[in-house]
Amino acid sequence: DPKIIQKPKYLVAVTGSEKILICEQYLGHNAMYWYRQSAKKPLEFMFSYSYQKLMDNQTASSRFQPQSSKKNHLDLQITALKPDDSATYFCASSQERVYAEQFFGPGTRLTVL
Amino acid sequence: GEQVEQLPSILRVQEGSSASINCSYEDSASNYFPWYKQEPGENPKLIIDIRSNMERKQIQELIVLLDKKAKRFSLHITDTQPGDSAMYFCAASGTGNTGKLIFGLGTTLQVQP
Repeated sequence: DPKIIQKPKYLVAVTGSEKILICEQYLGHNAMYWYRQSAKKPLEFMFSYSYQKLMDNQTASSRFQPQSSKKNHLDLQITALKPDDSATYFCASSQERVYAEQFFGPGTRLTVL
Repeated sequence: GEQVEQLPSILRVQEGSSASINCSYEDSASNYFPWYKQEPGENPKLIIDIRSNMERKQIQELIVLLDKKAKRFSLHITDTQPGDSAMYFCAASGTGNTGKLIFGLGTTLQVQP
C-alpha cells in the first residue's frame, strides 16, 4: 500500500489556469513538505509544514499556496499557471523536522501548455 | 548562502570497482546530510544519512564521510553493481531547523558490466 499518495499522477494545464495538487501521507508523520523537480533545478525545496503550521516558504511567488486541512494532508494550489511551472512536484513527509528521514511521494508531473 | 555543490555530474565505473561522489555546502549551521537515490521515473529514496556529530557512517557497501571544518561530505559505493546505476543526490539541512533540505544537482552513476 502506498504510504504517501499524490493525485493526480499526471496533469496537463493551460497557461493562466489554476490547479490543486493533492498529497496525503499515512505514515503518521508530523512534518510535510513540497519539492519541485525540473531539468533546470533537479530538487528544489518549496515549503515545509509541521503540525499543520507553515515553517518555511522558499517560493518567490504567491501563486503557490499550500493548504493543510488535516494533519496528514498538504495540498498545493498553483494559480495563474505558466509554462515555467512545468515540473514534477514531490510531496514528502518526516516524523519530525530535524534529523529525520524525509520520505518522498510518487510525484505529480505537471505540464503547462 | 545555502548552496550545495555536487561533483561529478556523471560518473562511469566498471562493475566491482568503487564510486565516489563529493559534495560541499556553505551553511556552517547545516547539521544533517542525507543521500538519495533516484531511478528514472521514480521518486527519490534515502539510502544513507549522517548527522553533524559523526564523521563516518557505513551501511553495507555505502560509506559516508563528513568533514565539518571543510564543509564537505562524500558518498563512497564499494563493489558497485549494475543495479547501483541511477541518479544520486546529496543534500544538506537548511538554517532554522525547518526541515528544509538543499539538494545538489545530482550525479548520474553508470556501472558498466
